[in-house]
Amino acid sequence: GAGVSQSPRYKVAKRGQDVALRCDPISGHVSLFWYQQALGQGPEFLTYFQNEAQLDKSGLPSDRFFAERPEGSVSTLKIQRTQQEDSAVYLCASSGQGVGNTEAFFGQGTRLTVV
Amino acid sequence: QKEVEQNSGPLSVPEGAIASLNCTYSDRGSQSFFWYRQYSGKSPELIMSIYSNGDKEDGRFTAQLNKASQYVSLLIRDSQPSDSATYLCAVNPFMNTGFQKLVFGTGTRLLVSP
Repeated sequence: GAGVSQSPRYKVAKRGQDVALRCDPISGHVSLFWYQQALGQGPEFLTYFQNEAQLDKSGLPSDRFFAERPEGSVSTLKIQRTQQEDSAVYLCASSGQGVGNTEAFFGQGTRLTVV
Repeated sequence: QKEVEQNSGPLSVPEGAIASLNCTYSDRGSQSFFWYRQYSGKSPELIMSIYSNGDKEDGRFTAQLNKASQYVSLLIRDSQPSDSATYLCAVNPFMNTGFQKLVFGTGTRLLVSP
């Protein structure tokens, strides 16, 4: 596709439910990032993939959060046993590799509401 | 101290004026700097990138970088009401080895009045 695609756009989960958020990056982009954005805040880094390798997961807030990108393209962010504090917009971004390709482009995000 | 700091605003300017948005960062080794625009309820949209000291102009937008002062700014000339949005400063704190981890500020809300 032309841009980064995320689904679903909106998700309402009951507390304790597991959720899976999908990101389809720009074709050919090797780098993929997940960010969490709370209301009124800037995006906070969660994790980074280069192709299928998860090179940095230092931003994942707890072991309930898990991300994968098994074939180096589509990525899934999974949150187990959701809590109210997980309510946020989850943004996915992708970028190419190299000096001229460090610009990251965001998808529309998934707004997660835990009730 | 936050890694990337911005005044949350709102910054109010009249239509046609110059809007000046500022950002400071703490990691002196940072190499890449970006400005994103985010409309309410939308995702961040990349509008400017800058990698070396000095000015970079693109249409009505000028990004300015001063690595010695750890300071990056965005100027918007001839501001329009459609420029009203939150502007996010983002910094890549790592050397560019093909790896990138953008650290964002909290954003500055810009309001352009007709």
